[in-house]
Amino acid sequence: SQKIEQNSEALNIQEGKTATLTCNYTNYSPAYLQWYRQDPGRGPVFLLLIRENEKEKRKERLKVTFDTTLKQSLFHITASQPADSATYLCALDYNTDKLIFGTGTRLQVFP
Amino acid sequence: DAGITQSPRHKVTETGTPVTLRCHQTENHRYMYWYRQDPGHGLRLIHYSYGVKDTDKGEVSDGYSVSRSKTEDFLLTLESATSSQTSVYFCAISEQTASGGENIQYFGAGTRLSVL
Repeated sequence: SQKIEQNSEALNIQEGKTATLTCNYTNYSPAYLQWYRQDPGRGPVFLLLIRENEKEKRKERLKVTFDTTLKQSLFHITASQPADSATYLCALDYNTDKLIFGTGTRLQVFP
Repeated sequence: DAGITQSPRHKVTETGTPVTLRCHQTENHRYMYWYRQDPGHGLRLIHYSYGVKDTDKGEVSDGYSVSRSKTEDFLLTLESATSSQTSVYFCAISEQTASGGENIQYFGAGTRLSVL
C-alpha cells in the first residue's frame, strides 16, 4: 500500500530563515500533491497544489517542489515568521475520490 | 471554515452508547468526508460520500456508519462507542466533479470525542 512520510520531529527555526519541510512517498507518483496547514484545535486549511508535471509552484512566501524521480515534495516558507508556526500536512491526490494524508510536521518559528 | 459546521464540538460519552456526529455544509459540494485524527496516525479516512445516499468506506470504517439524506448533511454514527474511538473527528467537503480533477478539501473545525 502507498506510504507517505513526513518528518515526525518538530522543526524549529529562527524568524527570517527559510523553513523546508519534506514529504516522501513510496510506489507510484500521484497526479497532484497538496499541502495543508493545521493550527492547534482547528481543521486543516489548503495551501498549495502541485501537479505531477510541474517542478515548482509558488504563492507569496511559499514554494513547493515536486520530484517524481525522488518521490519527494519539498515545502519552503521563506522569511519565516512566528505566525507561520503550525503543523503542515502533505496529501497525495491520485485523481480519485480520496486523499492520502501524511502525519504532518510541526513547525515552530522563534523570534 | 468554508461554510462547514460540525456538531457537537465536544462530546463525552460512555462505552457502549451510540453517538452521532453531524456535518453541515452550505457550499452545495458533492463530496463529503469523515476523518479521524490521532497522534502518530495523522488524518485517516473513515467514510465518504459522493452524493445523496451514495457513500463508501475509507481505511478505518469498522464500528462506524454514515448517512447522507440531503446534500448539505453528512452524519457519522458510532454504533456502540469504544474507548479506541476516542479521537478528534473532522468533516471535509470537496467540489471535485464526478469526472475527477483536483480534490482540494475544506475542513470543519472538528469534534473532540471522548469515550470513557
